[in-house]
Amino acid sequence: DIQMTQSPSTLSASVGDRVTITCRASQSISNWLAWYQQKPGKAPKPLIYRASNLKSGVPSRFSGSGSGTEFTFTISSLQPDDFATYYCQQYYGVFGQGTKLEIK
Amino acid sequence: EVQLVESGGGLVQPGGSLRLSCAASGFTFSRYWMSWVRQAPGKGPEWVARIKEDGSEKYYVDSVKGRFTISRDNAKNSLYLQMNSLRDEDTAVYYCAREEVWGQGTLVTVSS
Repeated sequence: DIQMTQSPSTLSASVGDRVTITCRASQSISNWLAWYQQKPGKAPKPLIYRASNLKSGVPSRFSGSGSGTEFTFTISSLQPDDFATYYCQQYYGVFGQGTKLEIK
Repeated sequence: EVQLVESGGGLVQPGGSLRLSCAASGFTFSRYWMSWVRQAPGKGPEWVARIKEDGSEKYYVDSVKGRFTISRDNAKNSLYLQMNSLRDEDTAVYYCAREEVWGQGTLVTVSS
């Protein structure tokens, strides 16, 4: 089974900061990866699909890159609404452990 | 527009069974792998099972192997999850998923 290792588990940052989250697959998954944002009491919301494509309506400060086994998710300039938990997921497979983005 | 609509959730006693359904529309269902994902209260999302386009391959998370069965009916554009021998820890919202697109979810509560 393919495992997904996401880091860091917690990230403290300030409004305006650039932040990056990493996800590593135990074997190649091509670009079959999505990134989700989750806020308390809500379902996960997909932000990025096929590793690097922005979902419609998602602000352009969010971006994704990578293929194979190494993937990154970046928020270029943090906004107050971005403080949430973020997950990567291999399509049809396991999720990363999650990254809780906290206000510094 | 891709739409996935789950149904079949509810309250069931430990050891009981439940069958979830997912009605798909807005895409050619028979051309996609499909999966079930769940999220227990206060926990992160967890992949549960996936099935190949023609139903010939099925995979499960270890915790549900031998208890849950994923299936599909391409003629009806529908995905199913038969859940047997349910446990307290199966309590969660269950989502049908095609790649990164999920339905609205259906709540399964296992409790005596």
